[in-house]
Amino acid sequence: NAGVTQTPKFRVLKTGQSMTLLCAQDMNHEYMYWYRQDPGMGLRLIHYSVGEGTTAKGEVPDGYNVSRLKKQNFLLGLESAAPSQTSVYFCASRTQNEQYFGPGTRLTVT
Amino acid sequence: GEDVEQSLFLSVREGDSSVINCTYTDSSSTYLYWYKQEPGAGLQLLTYIFSNMDMKQDQRLTVLLNKKDKHLSLRIADTQTGDSAIYFCAESIHGQNFVFGPGTRLSVLP
Repeated sequence: NAGVTQTPKFRVLKTGQSMTLLCAQDMNHEYMYWYRQDPGMGLRLIHYSVGEGTTAKGEVPDGYNVSRLKKQNFLLGLESAAPSQTSVYFCASRTQNEQYFGPGTRLTVT
Repeated sequence: GEDVEQSLFLSVREGDSSVINCTYTDSSSTYLYWYKQEPGAGLQLLTYIFSNMDMKQDQRLTVLLNKKDKHLSLRIADTQTGDSAIYFCAESIHGQNFVFGPGTRLSVLP
């Protein structure tokens, strides 16, 4: 049982490039989340999903897209990266009461 | 809207007790959580309390909830250097999304 995994762990992009972050969970959870963490701001919700084939916007969705084609995977896409998207990205999945986090992806946009 | 606030820094001496405080605004919160984040890692769930409880104790951790004042605290007894980390308070809104505070960086001095 690997829990929540994220790939890649680190990435450097140039402004305007695109990329996809992958989150996978093997706990059969319905709910999955993408957050970004910036210093002094805690975690802010980007997008979330309440089940396969569904997605919804969180607090800071602009500049990101997501897809949940399979229950175990939640993908976060950046179509045209901007320096303001430099951050640490965390994926999470949850049971009814508990949220489990991945180890994070550190993204730098130059 | 929902908001969770915490002080950003706390320093204690090894062996002393640490008390990390949190205030939240949404009275419909059902669960309140404490997460720990060590450097370079994701968030690890420490404990959580249901909103109809006043206190929960788990080994060195004691959570106190004052629902009237919307105040949550985490007490760590006999604080050790391994407790140095960032501690996040979070509330669960309508059983769906989580709102996180900015995190309190706990430094344990020898």
